[in-house]
Amino acid sequence: KAGVTQTPRYLIKTRGQQVTLSCSPISGHRSVSWYQQTPGQGLQFLFEYFSETQRNKGNFPGRFSGRQFSNSRSEMNVSTLELGDSALYLCASSRDYTNTEAFFGQGTRLTVV
Amino acid sequence: QQQVKQSPQSLIVQKGGIPIINCAYENTAFDYFPWYQQFPGKGPALLIAIRPDVSEKKEGRFTISFNKSAKQFSLHIMDSQPGDSATYFCAASIDYGGSQGNLIFGKGTKLSVKP
Repeated sequence: KAGVTQTPRYLIKTRGQQVTLSCSPISGHRSVSWYQQTPGQGLQFLFEYFSETQRNKGNFPGRFSGRQFSNSRSEMNVSTLELGDSALYLCASSRDYTNTEAFFGQGTRLTVV
Repeated sequence: QQQVKQSPQSLIVQKGGIPIINCAYENTAFDYFPWYQQFPGKGPALLIAIRPDVSEKKEGRFTISFNKSAKQFSLHIMDSQPGDSATYFCAASIDYGGSQGNLIFGKGTKLSVKP
């Protein structure tokens, strides 16, 4: 069974640009969550999607947004990139929103210059 | 109240030793406590998890001890090996009446097991 797939693995963007990251959950999993990982702040929750609806949102500015498609694949978008957005962005999938086991992908390493 | 405090920040043990990583929380609504292991360049991998109705859970060489009254839980790694060298994260989440909340993570512990 394939794991959580995130693309691309690495990205370099310039301040002010926007970026879109993609996540394909484990087959049969319908809940997708996104986390930002930085050395200073650790792992912080961005948002969660289930059945194409955002169920929960963390404390991040509106520049961070996401969506989920009918096949459960998810994308997150960051607009007007800032240097501080440089981080590892991780996607986790669960069977559904009642399920506790969350499985992470390898992440997308975003560098903003 | 939503924080999970993890200690120590880093830990060095000899092969065969038993590293212990501790986490503490304030919010008594937390009801699910997983531990994740992360190797460089990889995403966190679920290692073991516990709920407040049990005080201990073992899976292979990994054991979680849970103290509900103290609001603390810890990870013990028996007979540690160099391959266990990684960063370990504790986490917690709330069950909102059947709807599981997001994971709140500790800051992580970098474990190094010397041969």
